[in-house]
Amino acid sequence: DAKTTQPNSMESNEEEPVHLPCNHSTISGTDYIHWYRQLPSQGPEYVIHGLTSNVNNRMASLAIAEDRKSSTLILHRATLRDAAVYYCILRDRGKAAGNKLTFGGGTRVLVKP
Amino acid sequence: ETGVTQSPTHLIKTRGQQVTLRCSSQSGHNTVSWYQQALGQGPQFIFQYYREEENGRGNFPPRFSGLQFPNYSSELNVNALELDDSALYLCASSLIGLGGELFFGEGSRLTVL
Repeated sequence: DAKTTQPNSMESNEEEPVHLPCNHSTISGTDYIHWYRQLPSQGPEYVIHGLTSNVNNRMASLAIAEDRKSSTLILHRATLRDAAVYYCILRDRGKAAGNKLTFGGGTRVLVKP
Repeated sequence: ETGVTQSPTHLIKTRGQQVTLRCSSQSGHNTVSWYQQALGQGPQFIFQYYREEENGRGNFPPRFSGLQFPNYSSELNVNALELDDSALYLCASSLIGLGGELFFGEGSRLTVL
């Protein structure tokens, strides 16, 4: 499985943007870039995913480098509820891969009031 | 609210015992996958089931087994429990092949003494 590298932790002030980097230099052409987050005492929660183009949804934006070897998850205005561990995951879009997600250590985001 | 429910939420077993964990998937989802999350680490893929058959397995021994039922429920069985099996066990449901999001339950926390 292709590997991702993320910083262990990041801090942000409430209502400020948060930029979470992820390096995935060994990404293959069939890999989607997925982001999940895990709030304390909960299961992981889907945030966003993309293939080549930047993506936006109600939770966040995903900026993907032109060579696809890195990406950045952007939380536009952090709230206390956004304090969680954020996982950047490469997921093979082939059907045979099914629903296997390979989680790394993730980035622990602390939001200060 | 993901529509995925797991039971029990917490349980304690002793070494050598057997345990069954249950998951009720989101209606209409044809794939269920199970993950083990040790304290302070990201979830690790155990296996997935598609149309009631195992369809992909991670690096876990055969004493980890599962079942998927036509009513979208599933089970994870672990025999001959070891201390290292203490973890949060997460169930995730989805539709196979679409590359979309997985919906996770809140997990079952197993403690092996």
